[in-house]
Amino acid sequence: GAGVSQTPSNKVTEKGKYVELRCDPISGHTALYWYRQSLGQGPEFLIYFQGTGAADDSGLPNDRFFAVRPEGSVSTLKIQRTERGDSAVYLCASSLGTRETQYFGPGTRLLVL
Amino acid sequence: KQEVTQIPAALSVPEGENLVLNCSFTDSAIYNLQWFRQDPGKGLTSLLLIQSSQREQTSGRLNASLDKSSGRSTLYIAASQPGDSATYLCAVRIVGANSKLTFGKGITLSVRP
Repeated sequence: GAGVSQTPSNKVTEKGKYVELRCDPISGHTALYWYRQSLGQGPEFLIYFQGTGAADDSGLPNDRFFAVRPEGSVSTLKIQRTERGDSAVYLCASSLGTRETQYFGPGTRLLVL
Repeated sequence: KQEVTQIPAALSVPEGENLVLNCSFTDSAIYNLQWFRQDPGKGLTSLLLIQSSQREQTSGRLNASLDKSSGRSTLYIAASQPGDSATYLCAVRIVGANSKLTFGKGITLSVRP
């Protein structure tokens, strides 16, 4: 079956611009997670959805970052007024339940110039 | 705060060698531990998930063990092959922290032909 997909695979933007990153989880997975990975580091948690609601957004670095999952499936991570420090790989994962294996997408590589 | 450590950061071995990758974590109150593989420029592939009540899991040439009380896990790779070259990350899911994963920085493995 299809795995987690993310679009775009690469995104180059200018400082101050707005970007949206999309995640399509595995069908039937109710839990969805966003992580951010900088070069040479492990992924760091951003936000977790159970269904349509954000169950834990404690990892979002500041109020420029926001994520939605309006119908409990596809999720969009939104970054306003991008800064060079936002450059990283943004990874999405989904799982059947909160203690089940998390399956990761290929990531979106964001570069802010 | 949970911290996950993977040492060394990089490892190079000749083909055919059996090897052990180490992971340590500071808080033993975990639900489970997951090992991932990451190829350059790619997302994460789940290798093994060990629940906190389990001592080990096996998949093919891979065997992962968990000693929760001492805060350690090992990933054993038998008869290593050049195709095993990748970065291996471990991650723990902490009790009471919803379902986010806390990752180590990974070990970059190179298997020489």
